[in-house]
Amino acid sequence: EAGVTQSPRYAVLQEGQAVSFWCDPISGHDTLYWYQQPRDQGPQLLVYFRDEAVIDNSQLPSDRFSAVRPKGTNSTLKIQSAKQGDTATYLCASSFWDNYAEQFFGPGTRLTVL
Amino acid sequence: GDQVKQSPSALSLQEGTNSALRCNFSIATTTVQWFLQNPRGSLMNLFYLVPGTKENGRLKSTFNSKESYSTLHIRDAQLEDSGTYFCAAHSGGSNYKLTFGKGTLLTVTP
Repeated sequence: EAGVTQSPRYAVLQEGQAVSFWCDPISGHDTLYWYQQPRDQGPQLLVYFRDEAVIDNSQLPSDRFSAVRPKGTNSTLKIQSAKQGDTATYLCASSFWDNYAEQFFGPGTRLTVL
Repeated sequence: GDQVKQSPSALSLQEGTNSALRCNFSIATTTVQWFLQNPRGSLMNLFYLVPGTKENGRLKSTFNSKESYSTLHIRDAQLEDSGTYFCAAHSGGSNYKLTFGKGTLLTVTP
């Protein structure tokens, strides 16, 4: 069974540019999460979905970050006007909708903003 | 303060030796996940724990919910065990997110 897939694996931008990250969760998983992992820290949740609905986006910097999951499968995380402080690895995870469910992570996208 | 505190922050082991990593939780925790992050950044699932103990090969992990901690024991360390180990707490209820510690960087040397 395929795991969580993400693309691209790496991205390098100048400040002010936009970037999109794409995630394909494990087949059958209805819950999808986006985490941000700054260098030398643990991942921190940005937003998560059940099917196509946003359940919690309270940690998403809404002025520049947006996330969608229109058909309840794949998801896109977009950063408008990137800043140097956005430099981090962006990880996608998926699970079943269960408040005790094990989460499985993709390989991440390593973003560098110059 | 940190809601999930991992110790030590870094550790160097010789091949063939044993060690233990620890996480202390200051938030209500119903389940715990342990991960190994390789140098390319991929997070590999090691354990998913309700209160109790699990073992997988040379790894053994315990989650004690009453005393709010979890441990990961590594026996007979191998070079391929090198990487950053993360524990993550799941609080349950309506909160589905994982709260991660800052990780333990393990280096296994010949």
